[in-house]
Amino acid sequence: GQQVMQIPQYQHVQEGEDFTTYCNSSTTLSNIQWYKQRPGGHPVFLIQLVKSGEVKKQKRLTFQFGEAKKNSSLHITATQTTDVGTYFCAGSTNAGKSTFGDGTTLTVKP
Amino acid sequence: ETGVTQTPRHLVMGMTNKKSLKCEQHLGHNAMYWYKQSAKKPLELMFVYSLEERVENNSVPSRFSPECPNSSHLFLHLHTLQPEDSALYLCASSQEGGQRDTEAFFGQGTRLTVV
Repeated sequence: GQQVMQIPQYQHVQEGEDFTTYCNSSTTLSNIQWYKQRPGGHPVFLIQLVKSGEVKKQKRLTFQFGEAKKNSSLHITATQTTDVGTYFCAGSTNAGKSTFGDGTTLTVKP
Repeated sequence: ETGVTQTPRHLVMGMTNKKSLKCEQHLGHNAMYWYKQSAKKPLELMFVYSLEERVENNSVPSRFSPECPNSSHLFLHLHTLQPEDSALYLCASSQEGGQRDTEAFFGQGTRLTVV
C-alpha cells in the first residue's frame, strides 16, 4: 500500500536557525497537504500543493512539491519559539484517502 | 473553534468499563475519520466513514466499535480496553468530491487513559 515517510523524526534548533522537513511517498501523489500540531493541540491544516514543482510561501514557511509528485518539503526560515510542534505531511492519490507521515517534531531553543 | 467537536476531552476508564467517544462536525462534510495518536504511532488511521458508510477499517481490534448515525456525528464505542489503548483519539472530517478529498479538519481529541 501507499507509504509516506517523513524525515527527520526530531529536529532541535536554536532560535533563528532554519529548519526543513522532508516527505517522501512510495507512489505518485495527486496532492500533498501539510499540517502543524502544537504541543497539547490537534493537527491544523497549513497548505495543500497540487501541481508538479509547485512552491508556495506563507511568511517564513516555504512548501515545495517535487517534479515527480512523490516528495515534498517544508522549510522554515529563522525559526521562532512559536514554530515548535510536530509537522505532518499527508499524501493523497487519485484512488484513495490521504496517508499521513509520522511527522517531524521541532523544538526551538530560545 | 475548528468546526469539529469531540467529547469528552479526557476520559479515564477501567478495563471492564464501556464508554463512548463522540464527535460532531458542523462543516457540512461528507466524510469522517477516527485516528489514534500515541508515542508509538503519531497518526494511525482507525476508521473512515464516507456518506455514513464505513469504507475503511485498518485492522482495528473489535473492542473498538465505530458508529456513524448521520453525516454530522461519529461515535467510537469502547469496551474491555487494555492499558496499551491509552492514547489521544482524534476525530476528523473532510469533504469528498471528484478525485481527491479536501483538507481534514481535526477535533481537539479525547485523551483516553485505561487503568
